[in-house]
Amino acid sequence: AQSVTQLGSHVSVSEGALVLLRCNYSSSVPPYLFWYVQYPNQGLQLLLKYTSAATLVKGINGFEAEFKKSETSFHLTKPSAHMSDAAEYFCAVIADSGNTPLVFGKGTRLSVIA
Amino acid sequence: KAGVTQTPRYLIKTRGQQVTLSCSPISGHRSVSWYQQTPGQGLQFLFEYFSETQRNKGNFPGRFSGRQFSNSRSEMNVSTLELGDSALYLCASSLDRVGNEQFFGPGTRLTVL
Repeated sequence: AQSVTQLGSHVSVSEGALVLLRCNYSSSVPPYLFWYVQYPNQGLQLLLKYTSAATLVKGINGFEAEFKKSETSFHLTKPSAHMSDAAEYFCAVIADSGNTPLVFGKGTRLSVIA
Repeated sequence: KAGVTQTPRYLIKTRGQQVTLSCSPISGHRSVSWYQQTPGQGLQFLFEYFSETQRNKGNFPGRFSGRQFSNSRSEMNVSTLELGDSALYLCASSLDRVGNEQFFGPGTRLTVL
């Protein structure tokens, strides 16, 4: 079975500062990993995904994430936060072993302070 | 290409009633998944349909059901509504390949009074 842990339900950064959102996963088989973003009153939008092609994955809006198998982590980063980055971010995992459901973390709400 | 659409966007019901939510996937996507999102429980998987068959099911009571039509459109039904069913219900569609990302609709906000 797969699971995802997102450390910190709320992260607050200053505009222009580094954004770091943490995600650790548990999977008994090679995983596919995803980061989604949700703005208020909207559905989820895919930021990026890891599919074993490269450990450093670049996504939309300047976000990137690095897959570290030894640490079972897939942390999301952005060098410089913008006010428009304020949203809820979800890490998710799916096993590379057939048609199993996507498993989400609890989410991290990012606040950006001017 | 049009995205995932969900109707209605907002719904208010009373306890004991039933409700049907609709989801139209992206053209060509045959897999449709449903999720319930609440502040306390986060995103919880309800079920997934592929080619009109339920392929996966989450841990929800039998009051929650769904179906998929031949054109891949899907509906979910909740009978005998409870206050705790108030949530954002999200539908997502994807191509049927392992590891493919899911594309989400805007959700239906259900309020049970």
